Amino acid sequence: DGGITQSPKYLFRKEGQNVTLSCEQNLNHDAMYWYRQDPGQGLRLIYYSQIVNDFQKGDIAEGYSVSREKKESFPLTVTSAQKNPTAFYLCASSISRQTGEETQYFGPGTRLLVL
Amino acid sequence: AQSVTQPDIHITVSEGASLELRCNYSYGATPYLFWYVQSPGQGLQLLLKYFSGDTLVQGIKGFEAEFKRSQSSFNLRKPSVHWSDAAEYFCAVGSNFGNEKLTFGTGTRLTIIP
Repeated sequence: DGGITQSPKYLFRKEGQNVTLSCEQNLNHDAMYWYRQDPGQGLRLIYYSQIVNDFQKGDIAEGYSVSREKKESFPLTVTSAQKNPTAFYLCASSISRQTGEETQYFGPGTRLLVL
Repeated sequence: AQSVTQPDIHITVSEGASLELRCNYSYGATPYLFWYVQSPGQGLQLLLKYFSGDTLVQGIKGFEAEFKRSQSSFNLRKPSVHWSDAAEYFCAVGSNFGNEKLTFGTGTRLTIIP
């Protein structure tokens, strides 16, 4: 089955701890995205990557970091600098950002909770 | 900057009744428009999209949406809702330079009553 997988489904973070959320896709998509979802606020873009070894900050990148070493993988690290990390995190991918008209497809999400 | 407004936070509809969810956007050029649906604790599923051409677009699960440039709207409709349609619905707008700046509305939660 082609698709986007995110793990874990639930993640607990202690104060001062960095945690990493996994996102993998087997759709052969070039572009990948991370969004944060809070109740009543819709989705907000954290980071996106158009190509391997390149990524760009979105609207709320502070306290987060990413890497894109492989086309199919785009892990997100929530650092201790992110003071309010409790949220639902969604990963998405699209064929490419180069030509326009791309549609983003989403994974099932990871819920991050602070202990 | 582009923006999306979904004026209805929560809508309740009887099963079998018709449905219209409102979406208004702000964008300087011709937008790319999307409707997604999200069940509790799940990711987003694409219902339909508008890029160009026919302003009435058909999607999955019997949904349709109409792009009205004069009203800056992209309302979602369904003639007869089913209990399984209960979910949260998100409208989104993207730029025609590539949709890395996909901007989402705050969502409309749909409740279906028997």
